[in-house]
Amino acid sequence: NAGVTQTPKFQVLKTGQSMTLQCAQDMNHEYMSWYRQDPGMGLRLIHYSVGAGITDQGEVPNGYNVSRSTTEDFPLRLLSAAPSQTSVYFCASKKEGNTIYFGEGSWLTVV
Amino acid sequence: KQEVTQIPAALSVPEGENLVLNCSFTDSAIYNLQWFRQDPGKGLTSLLLIQSSQREQTSGRLNASLDKSSGRSTLYIAASQPGDSATYLCAVKNYGQNFVFGPGTRLSVLP
Repeated sequence: NAGVTQTPKFQVLKTGQSMTLQCAQDMNHEYMSWYRQDPGMGLRLIHYSVGAGITDQGEVPNGYNVSRSTTEDFPLRLLSAAPSQTSVYFCASKKEGNTIYFGEGSWLTVV
Repeated sequence: KQEVTQIPAALSVPEGENLVLNCSFTDSAIYNLQWFRQDPGKGLTSLLLIQSSQREQTSGRLNASLDKSSGRSTLYIAASQPGDSATYLCAVKNYGQNFVFGPGTRLSVLP
């Protein structure tokens, strides 16, 4: 019963460094997405995917890349970290029309 | 563009009270609406999913209603307990669109 698994849970980066947040789900969901949650801003969609090989931009995609080579995995890449990317990141997945499931979150600090 | 608001932003009640949390949305052509609970430092947990054809959904002490014509949903919590203390978010999905989240209501149930 793993559900949606995110790693790492905590990360500190220096400005300009790159890193990848990993997300995996074992529910055979077609749809996967990445959100960031900031105080006073709520949850904002970064990128999403409706199936393997298909990705699209959400509300705040700048500075982030994604890929979907398998149904299970949807990594989020920060190309050159900036302090404005300090946030909590959530990965989510669902089947069409059904409940959306979230991972536990990844706390990222960029100094 | 869909916009979701939640009132109040924070609520504090004594244990045992029945309470109502509100969610309003601007575009009534929704596909479904989902209520979530978020504990501090944790991800979002789905509570109830209401499809556009439904008027309400119930799970234990929770009841969510949907009135598309007025752009409103309410989450009713009966006989509140300290363990209900959390932030409650609603999310609205329109046809062909991604979920749009409200900012949440932070609930404190005092023993």
